[in-house]
Order: sequence, then structure tokens, then C-alpha cells
Amino acid sequence: QVQLVESGGGVVQPGGSLRLSCAASGFTFSAYGMRWVRQAPGKGLEWVASIRFDGSNLYYADSVKGRFTVSRDNSRNTLYVQINSLRPEDSGKYYCVREGETTMLRVVRRYHYFYMDVWGKGTTVIVSS
Amino acid sequence: DIVMTQSPLSLPVTPGEPASISCRSSQSLLHSNGYEYLDWYVHKPGQSPQLLIYLGSKRASGVPDRFSGSGSGSTFTLRISRVEAEDVGVYYCMHALQTPPYTFGQGTKLEIK
Repeated sequence: QVQLVESGGGVVQPGGSLRLSCAASGFTFSAYGMRWVRQAPGKGLEWVASIRFDGSNLYYADSVKGRFTVSRDNSRNTLYVQINSLRPEDSGKYYCVREGETTMLRVVRRYHYFYMDVWGKGTTVIVSS
Repeated sequence: DIVMTQSPLSLPVTPGEPASISCRSSQSLLHSNGYEYLDWYVHKPGQSPQLLIYLGSKRASGVPDRFSGSGSGSTFTLRISRVEAEDVGVYYCMHALQTPPYTFGQGTKLEIK
């Protein structure tokens, strides 16, 4: 079945680094864009980063820009996010999410709509001294 | 960045009764193609978030038909026609315009009375 399994979370000191991984299975990973979404303790959902199906077009939330780097290895069906210069406010659960897509046809033009249709169970990052 | 504002933030509901959550965006989510670029997600206790509604009003696969989305421009509503105990969770709206950042509303916590 379609599955996303995150790993790599843990306890790290402020200023430290982590690399989170997300192993995908049950679908053609190389055909889908992917995202990272996080939830700080007691807070709501926050989109963190996106990467297109072919590794192009990387996008980041302002809160992580310059510190987070999203990447993917389509040969290994794996999504990554390298997190540097960790801050206490980066603590939380990090979800790997698949970008589902639907296509709409209007007149002669095709439009694409992306939504988050498959979520992993998440991996927890705790930034604390 | 687009700001998404939900109300109420807390929603106690009696089972079998309807529920309604409002979501407003700081700019119109009506695309030039005529579609509304808005999603609804629910985060149930102990589970991962899941997609409920996309394109403003289309139910995701497997979502019961007691859930419906409506609205246009910058004002949207998620309705549950008859709340069930399994609907407990936090509901989020999120704009889906293609250029990030994607922003969620603050979340509405639905609980059973």
C-alpha cells in the first residue's frame, strides 16, 4: 500500500544538525512532488518545504530558509531534509507528505492542482540543551 | 504571504448535530481558471493529518458525504451535516495557490459535548 515512513528525528542541541529521511513505497515516487510539514508542540500545522517530482523548484518557509535543504533520491524512493543551525522553535513532529495532483481542463488549457493526499506518521525533533 | 483565519477556534458539538467552520483568506483564492484553490485537512488524535476537501468543495477519496466544502473568493466554509464521535480533531484550511508559501489556518478544535 501507499506508505511514507519518516526517520532521523531525535534530540539535538541548539545549533546542531539533523537529516530527516522519508522512505516512500507503494507508488511511483519519481512522479510526485513532496513536502515537509511540521507541528510544534501545542501548535498548528506549518508547511516547511516542497520539492517537485524531479528535484527542481525547491521552496521553503521563511522560518527555515537558509537552514533547511530539501532533496530527494528518486532511485532510492527517498525524500530528505537537511536541517542545520537548529533552534528550539524547530522542535516538533515533522511529516513527509505526498503532493497529489488533479488536472482541470478549461477551454484548451490544462491546469494542475496539488494537494497533500498521503502523510507519513512523522518523526519528532527536539532541540534542547 | 496569504493569511488564513479560521473561526471558531473551538467547536463543541452534540453528536448528530451539524457543525460549521469558517475560513477567510487575506487574498482571493479564486484562480483565473475559475476554480477555488483551497483545501481542508483534519488532524485526528493519534493520527496523521488527512485531506478532506480540495478545490474548495471536492471531497477527497473515502471522505463521508456528511462533509462538504463551499465558498468563493476569500470566504469558505466546511460543514459537517451530522457530527459523529469519530469526527473529533483539529480542522485546518490551507490555501493551495501554486506558489508557496502554503499557509494553514490556526486550526479549529472540534470536540464532542
